[in-house]
Amino acid sequence: NAGVTQTPKFQVLKTGQSMTLQCAQDMNHEYMSWYRQDPGMGLRLIHYSVGAGITDQGEVPNGYNVSRSTTEDFPLRLLSAAPSQTSVYFCASSKQGNGGYTFGSGTRLTVV
Amino acid sequence: GEDVEQSLFLSVREGDSSVINCTYTDSSSTYLYWYKQEPGAGLQLLTYIFSNMDMKQDQRLTVLLNKKDKHLSLRIADTQTGDSAIYFCAEILPGRSSARQLTFGSGTQLTVLP
Repeated sequence: NAGVTQTPKFQVLKTGQSMTLQCAQDMNHEYMSWYRQDPGMGLRLIHYSVGAGITDQGEVPNGYNVSRSTTEDFPLRLLSAAPSQTSVYFCASSKQGNGGYTFGSGTRLTVV
Repeated sequence: GEDVEQSLFLSVREGDSSVINCTYTDSSSTYLYWYKQEPGAGLQLLTYIFSNMDMKQDQRLTVLLNKKDKHLSLRIADTQTGDSAIYFCAEILPGRSSARQLTFGSGTQLTVLP
């Protein structure tokens, strides 16, 4: 099993550009989440999904959109990139949530 | 807002025990977690504990839970250089337990000195 796969691993964007961070899991997990990691701040929840067709906002949703059309995929869209969105982004999935999450290896995004 | 709190740094000598501490926010949290992040990698689930337990042991890892004080600790016995990493404490997001999403502390950078 591949687990949780994130692409790309690195990305540089110019301010105002849009892009989609991809996340796919092959474990048939219902729960999927997007986090951003900034130095000294731990991980903060951006958006999450508890099943196909169901999404909700986390702690820091502004500037990001998500959709969940299939169980496997949970893409994160940056609508108009800003330097404040420079961060490392992690996708995670879980069968039921309570047993812990499996994380992808992350996407390092720089907005200039 | 409420925060899961951890100290930022811890240094220990190889072979000593490490104790990483965490104060969490929600006394009704049913699951509490410890994750490990090595440089340039994602987070790896180390262990978790149910709230009806005081202690859980898994090889070199011992988790202690004090619900009264909302205090969680992770003890690593015989710490090795490969244990150098960032360790995150996490709980299910307070107030939204049905969503089963995690809220994390800021992480403790463990450095193991030779």
